[in-house]
Amino acid sequence: DTAVSQTPKYLVTQMGNDKSIKCEQNLGHDTMYWYKQDSKKFLKIMFSYNNKELIINETVPNRFSPKSPDKAHLNLHINSLELGDSAVYFCASSQESVGSGTQYFGPGTRLLVL
Amino acid sequence: DAKTTQPNSMESNEEEPVHLPCNHSTISGTDYIHWYRQLPSQGPEYVIHGLTSNVNNRMASLAIAEDRKSSTLILHRATLRDAAVYYCILDPNNAGNMLTFGGGTRLMVKP
Repeated sequence: DTAVSQTPKYLVTQMGNDKSIKCEQNLGHDTMYWYKQDSKKFLKIMFSYNNKELIINETVPNRFSPKSPDKAHLNLHINSLELGDSAVYFCASSQESVGSGTQYFGPGTRLLVL
Repeated sequence: DAKTTQPNSMESNEEEPVHLPCNHSTISGTDYIHWYRQLPSQGPEYVIHGLTSNVNNRMASLAIAEDRKSSTLILHRATLRDAAVYYCILDPNNAGNMLTFGGGTRLMVKP
């Protein structure tokens, strides 16, 4: 059973296109996240969603927008893709309560913008 | 945000113990110390966490200095599958939503 899953696994697209990455968790967690890992392997948090409410929004371009249709899903929409958006994007989830901060990560989506 | 400092890389021989250090001299009283690891081409996975006392689980042990300004992740018998990047992260209040990943330590395990 996959706890946190992402689709697609690989995404190759042209500059200027709009694309979406989907994430689903079956852990019953109430908080989900998106991280970006660039070519230098630094992992940076982009968004956090709790009960459909955005609670963290790091300084990412507004071309990136998270959308959560329900507690189990947090999709990432990217408009007008740029070369610098090429990276691996990881989804994660956790149960937000004191003492339960462990995050569970998905396998990643490798995005290449040409 | 409190910051952690780790060596860029370490080497170990298979079947030997590995001690991965982490310095966090500006840690605050409510910061939990978390360790995650990222195997090649995979997402990070949780390893262990603690606040003040040493902790053990099936994957590893966490030794926390008395002043909490440093900690050590201990893998008791390294295997080739333990080759990964290990991240030491401070989590305020153990809430999980403020994880800041640094560069981590790349552990190489030699057969």
